[in-house]
Amino acid sequence: SQTIHQWPATLVQPVGSPLSLECTVEGTSNPNLYWYRQAAGRGLQLLFYSVGIGQISSEVPQNLSASRPQDRQFILSSKKLLLSDSGFYLCAWSGVSRNQPQHFGDGTRLSIL
Amino acid sequence: SQQGEEDPQALSIQEGENATMNCSYKTSINNLQWYRQNSGRGLVHLILIRSNEREKHSGRLRVTLDTSKKSSSLLITASRAADTASYFCATAYNNAGNMLTFGGGTRLMVKP
Repeated sequence: SQTIHQWPATLVQPVGSPLSLECTVEGTSNPNLYWYRQAAGRGLQLLFYSVGIGQISSEVPQNLSASRPQDRQFILSSKKLLLSDSGFYLCAWSGVSRNQPQHFGDGTRLSIL
Repeated sequence: SQQGEEDPQALSIQEGENATMNCSYKTSINNLQWYRQNSGRGLVHLILIRSNEREKHSGRLRVTLDTSKKSSSLLITASRAADTASYFCATAYNNAGNMLTFGGGTRLMVKP
């Protein structure tokens, strides 16, 4: 069966520090991969998605970047964190054919001090 | 901007009652999906309903889709305290990446 791992679960970082959040998927090949951010009590905002290795699309301009160095690895990064980068970050995967659900990791709670 | 908007934003009911949540969207879709999120956790997929379907069931869950009104509803029958969570609708439009646009969610509290 397929599983998705996301870490760390919580992270406290100072303003201006770098960021690297990692997400890996097991049990499937060539998944679509997604990074979302969720503000407290709100819905999800799509940040990046990827349909293949090295293929990254950004949905909103921001201080973050994403990379997909391997088929089942998706990394969210920042060179210098801002206070506004605080939030709950979720990684998800889906199959490539149409009408597929997305499957989510347990998220990373990021607090910027 | 968010494609789907849930109504109500919050709902409090007694165990055993039914809970109905509604979702409205703005543009044509391929499918509409409902997800559940327990506090501080990731989302769990509940049901996917395609644009050519009108109703779908899964256990105590019933989802309807009215494409003419661009709306959907999620009904949870005989609710349990364990159903307490936030519920989100998400719409998939015609795109190669199966991207979803999420609404703001309905926070459901089921009191024992």
